[in-house]
Amino acid sequence: DAGITQSPRHKVTETGTPVTLRCHQTENHRYMYWYRQDPGHGLRLIHYSYGVKDTDKGEVSDGYSVSRSKTEDFLLTLESATSSQTSVYFCAIRLGLADLGETQYFGPGTRLLVL
Amino acid sequence: RKEVEQDPGPFNVPEGATVAFNCTYSNSASQSFFWYRQDCRKEPKLLMSVYSSGNEDGRFTAQLNRASQYISLLIRDSKLSDSATYLCVVNRGRYGNKLVFGAGTILRVKS
Repeated sequence: DAGITQSPRHKVTETGTPVTLRCHQTENHRYMYWYRQDPGHGLRLIHYSYGVKDTDKGEVSDGYSVSRSKTEDFLLTLESATSSQTSVYFCAIRLGLADLGETQYFGPGTRLLVL
Repeated sequence: RKEVEQDPGPFNVPEGATVAFNCTYSNSASQSFFWYRQDCRKEPKLLMSVYSSGNEDGRFTAQLNRASQYISLLIRDSKLSDSATYLCVVNRGRYGNKLVFGAGTILRVKS
């Protein structure tokens, strides 16, 4: 258990409203990631962070912004939610493997429905 | 064409059966490879890494063919608890920053 929590776990919102999702980790991991998962698609990277105040875009960053003001929290904001942003959102941290490089460990996810 | 492709299934198999999943990837510069398991409405969890020489973990065997850019997962003696979606994951970079996920293969094991 890499100590990742996400909040809220479920959210229903209306088109045009701002939404912020929170990812919290307790083990001082430097790298954190936000993904979305939709049927028929693999997980797709939205944004990631490589340190406090250091973030970069992933492949599906349009309509999303992120912030990381302290190591333990990585926030994902939908400035004006659209129905196409209905999805399951996963936060992840980078996980070092002794034998084969690095991969990622995921939080429990947030289910977002935009009406 | 997707960078990582998997047969979506579902694969419906009886308990005790052997089942194999395949995955192809298009980026020859990919560095490392993994299988993740995802239960319904849960997060993906690392099942196993995939070594070039092939590797086994109990009933699970993973193989990698770099020349053909092909990864496989074999599950022997299937259990009901193996029912899940299996995600093929490729790391394009040296570090864990450039993971590319397949859409997953659904396995249903029935009694």
